[in-house]
Amino acid sequence: AQRVTQPEKLLSVFKGAPVELKCNYSYSGSPELFWYVQYSRQRLQLLLRHISRESIKGFTADLNKGETSFHLKKPFAQEEDSAMYYCALRPWGGTYKYIFGTGTRLKVLA
Amino acid sequence: DAMVIQNPRYQVTQFGKPVTLSCSQTLNHNVMYWYQQKSSQAPKLLFHYYDKDFNNEADTPDNFQSRRPNTSFCFLDIRSPGLGDAAMYLCATSTSTDTQYFGPGTRLTVL
Repeated sequence: AQRVTQPEKLLSVFKGAPVELKCNYSYSGSPELFWYVQYSRQRLQLLLRHISRESIKGFTADLNKGETSFHLKKPFAQEEDSAMYYCALRPWGGTYKYIFGTGTRLKVLA
Repeated sequence: DAMVIQNPRYQVTQFGKPVTLSCSQTLNHNVMYWYQQKSSQAPKLLFHYYDKDFNNEADTPDNFQSRRPNTSFCFLDIRSPGLGDAAMYLCATSTSTDTQYFGPGTRLTVL
């Protein structure tokens, strides 16, 4: 079964601390992985996708096929990073469906 | 310069009274999606269109229908809303290679 798991519902860190939001997936083929973010009162938006291999707002995520993980990391959290983060999977080739994880709320404390 | 627009932003309806939510896009994307998002839960895909091809999720209730009259517009019809249908409804668009762009959502309240 295709599934995306985000084990933490809430993650609180202090400003300047490293942050890691965990994402594990279950899929038999080669998926495309995404992180979406939803800031307070804003629409859901793409943060980054694994094929881009970019760093957005200081965040990075590496696809680990062996561990079927796509954890989101940032070395120094900022208060403006406080938001809801969703990991999502899209199977390669021929489908346009996205499967979302349940989300992790990140709170960065001053 | 909003690219995915949803109207209305807030909708109140009565139990059993049909309601239609609308989504429009200026991106000319060929794929459009409708998601249901309940409080503290992940967005749940209801259906999506690839051009005019409609793809229903197996667990989407028959109470939910959709129409896509042209590339720019897509509608979500809830024929007989129940209390359990109160949620945020998200519209999104994409191309076959690009990621999704989301609208701001319509919050549906069922009285």
